[in-house]
Amino acid sequence: AQSVTQPDIHITVSEGASLELRCNYSYGATPYLFWYVQSPGQGLQLLLKYFSGDTLVQGIKGFEAEFKRSQSSFNLRKPSVHWSDAAEYFCAVGGGGATNKLIFGTGTLLAVQP
Amino acid sequence: NAGVTQTPKFRVLKTGQSMTLLCAQDMNHEYMYWYRQDPGMGLRLIHYSVGEGTTAKGEVPDGYNVSRLKKQNFLLGLESAAPSQTSVYFCASSRDGIQYFGPGTRLTVL
Repeated sequence: AQSVTQPDIHITVSEGASLELRCNYSYGATPYLFWYVQSPGQGLQLLLKYFSGDTLVQGIKGFEAEFKRSQSSFNLRKPSVHWSDAAEYFCAVGGGGATNKLIFGTGTLLAVQP
Repeated sequence: NAGVTQTPKFRVLKTGQSMTLLCAQDMNHEYMYWYRQDPGMGLRLIHYSVGEGTTAKGEVPDGYNVSRLKKQNFLLGLESAAPSQTSVYFCASSRDGIQYFGPGTRLTVL
């Protein structure tokens, strides 16, 4: 079955600390992988995506993610978190193709302490 | 270029009432989607469309209907609202494998 698991429901980090949000997926074909961010009361904004090629992808706002096929993972990282990064983060997987449908994880809520 | 817009932003319904949510996109995308977002459950796909005049069921289609009469618009209808349909509804459109989201509609059914 196709699925996305984000094992951390809630994470708190101090401002300036590094961040890693975990994402594991189950997908039968070559996956397209995404991270979206949702600020309170807002829609989802694309942070970064992986379709093929270099397994380390750079996104907006200083985020990066690494695709590890052997671990079925696509973890999101940031070396130094800013207070404005407090939001909910969603990992998603899809296959493109005829429908471009995505399967979303349940999200990780990030809080940033001053 | 407004991207994806949703109307209305907020709505309160009584059980049994009907309503239509409107999604519009100005990016000429073929694919459009309706999701619902509930706490702890992420986004779940209700219905989607791969082009004008086409619709298909997603993961949680019961109680909802959709129409895509024009390429730029995707309507989500609730014929007889139930409290279980209290949620935040997001529309998205897609091109080249990437989905672009609207700001959402917060619906409360009493």
